[in-house]
Amino acid sequence: SQELEQSPQSLIVQEGKNLTINCTSSKTLYGLYWYKQKYGEGLIFLMMLQKGGEEKSHEKITAKLDEKKQQSSLHITASQPSHAGIYLCGADITGTASKLTFGTGTRLQVML
Amino acid sequence: DADVTQTPRNRITKTGKRIMLECSQTKGHDRMYWYRQDPGLGLRLIYYSFDVKDINKGEISDGYSVSRQAQAKFSLSLESAIPNQTALYFCATGPSSGLDTGELFFGEGSRLTVL
Repeated sequence: SQELEQSPQSLIVQEGKNLTINCTSSKTLYGLYWYKQKYGEGLIFLMMLQKGGEEKSHEKITAKLDEKKQQSSLHITASQPSHAGIYLCGADITGTASKLTFGTGTRLQVML
Repeated sequence: DADVTQTPRNRITKTGKRIMLECSQTKGHDRMYWYRQDPGLGLRLIYYSFDVKDINKGEISDGYSVSRQAQAKFSLSLESAIPNQTALYFCATGPSSGLDTGELFFGEGSRLTVL
């Protein structure tokens, strides 16, 4: 079974709509990282969250880590075609700050 | 030039062949990682290294080996490739201070097909 579950697995939204992607773990997330991958390319770092209740924003993307540090959400406001791609959450679930475990990814398509 | 460079970018090979994927980085990072990506499974860690003399197995190391030739170079080998090793492979680097102070930097991936 996957240690980090992402939902939904895929998402198709109309341009301009808001959307949320979730990342859930049964273990404490000592550090939570969101990455974006364009199809067939490498991963681009978006944001890192470490403290329970922490929230960060960059342009139209906001990420939150819940108080219990077991769930994170990524929210995109007013989606654009440039937001299309695969979003992956990665987490330090060992507390050693040595390696990341990744979720299964969410494939986002934005329709014009 | 890219900070993390992977070669080859694409490779098609046959079952039983030996394959090496190479990774080099200009970030000056001590930590290097090899992940593989399969549809629906996200990224899974194969091996990681904290310096030239420190190599660690990840969650799916069977069938793979690695070599850390220098701080900047980390190669992944498939001694005898099999079809279920068909995947997209990523190399990543990270700061020696640990993930709590920085993210991982990824290469653009090496797509391997084993027939």
